[in-house]
Formats: sequence, C-alpha cells, structure tokens
Amino acid sequence: GAGVSQTPSNKVTEKGKYVELRCDPISGHTALYWYRQSLGQGPEFLIYFQGTGAADDSGLPNDRFFAVRPEGSVSTLKIQRTERGDSAVYLCASSLNSAARADTQYFGPGTRLTVL
Amino acid sequence: AQSVTQLDSHVSVSEGTPVLLRCNYSSSYSPSLFWYVQHPNKGLQLLLKYTSAATLVKGINGFEAEFKKSETSFHLTKPSAHMSDAAEYFCVVSAGTGGKLIFGQGTELSVKP
Repeated sequence: GAGVSQTPSNKVTEKGKYVELRCDPISGHTALYWYRQSLGQGPEFLIYFQGTGAADDSGLPNDRFFAVRPEGSVSTLKIQRTERGDSAVYLCASSLNSAARADTQYFGPGTRLTVL
Repeated sequence: AQSVTQLDSHVSVSEGTPVLLRCNYSSSYSPSLFWYVQHPNKGLQLLLKYTSAATLVKGINGFEAEFKKSETSFHLTKPSAHMSDAAEYFCVVSAGTGGKLIFGQGTELSVKP
C-alpha cells in the first residue's frame, strides 16, 4: 500500500509569507506526527495528533506555527510570517496507535522549506 | 527526561569490515529504543526497535543492536559493511505515552570500496 506522502516536496518562500505543508498518512493510522529537521541535525518533534485532536503540541516553537487534522486523516502544518530560521525539512510520520510507546512510526519523504 | 547521545558524528569503514555505531540513552523508565536510517534524499526508515522483549534485537539488512541496561547503551552493529549501507543513522528513544520520538544527532556512515 501507499506510504506517507507529503506535498510539496520543495517550497521556496520569502520572509514574512504564509505557507502550508500537507501530509497524507498511511490509511488507517490514527496517530500523525510532525517533526522538523534542520541541516546536520536529527529531527525534532513538533506536534502529534491522535485522531482529529492535537494530543501534544509542546514542540511547536511559537505561535506562528499551527497544525490541523480536521477529519482525522490529512494534516496541514501552517506557518505564518515565515522567518529565515524556519528553513528546514519538515517531516511527517504516522503510526497505527500513538498510545503504544513502541509503535513504529512511518515517515514521509519530507518537505524542504527555504525562506529567503 | 529521555535523551540519546550518539557518540560519533561520522564513522568510516571499508566494505566487508564490521560496523559499530554507538548510542547511549537516558531514560527515567524502561525505554523503547529505535535505530532509523536516512539515505540521501530519501525518507527515514526503521532498522530495528527494542521494546523489552529481548535484549539482542535483529533488524533489516543484517543490522542488530544490543540493549545493555547497566551501560545505558544501544549500539548498532553489522558484521560486514556493504556500499549500500552508506547513510545517516539515528538512534531514537520514545519519550513516553503518545509515541513522541527523541532523535540523536545522527552518525554518518561512509563505506570505502
């Protein structure tokens, strides 16, 4: 079956603009995660959803970042007033059940965001 | 709090020789530990995971890792490196209920012919 998909694969924007990054999880996966990977670093957790609700958004860096998952499937990460420091690869992952600590997370290919 | 430390940022081996990528963890309870691999311009792929069932965990592509509680380590090994093993490897710990993952800084593995 299809894996996790993310669109766009690359996004170039100007400082101050608004961007939306989309994630399509594996069908049937109730848990969805967003991570951010800066150059030369490991991914860092941003937020995760269990169904439609954000169960943990402790990794969002500030209130310019927001994510939704209105129907419990597709998720959109929204960044307002982008800054050059937001440039990174944004990764999405899904798993069957987030309550299971050892549940395998399947990652998408990422969206590379560049803020000029 | 949970954390992982990858002791080498870069490891270089010759094809056919053993691979050792080192990882130490910190956890306030029995952890779930993972190794993920990231090939250039590809997504993260799970190599193996430890969930307390057995201390020696076998993964894909001939990799394995041993959980050592006394040393708080979870090193990744492979008996014989292949050119296709060249990639970035991440040691990861689960942060608790909810599945939030905490990644190490990564180890870049180079394989020389």
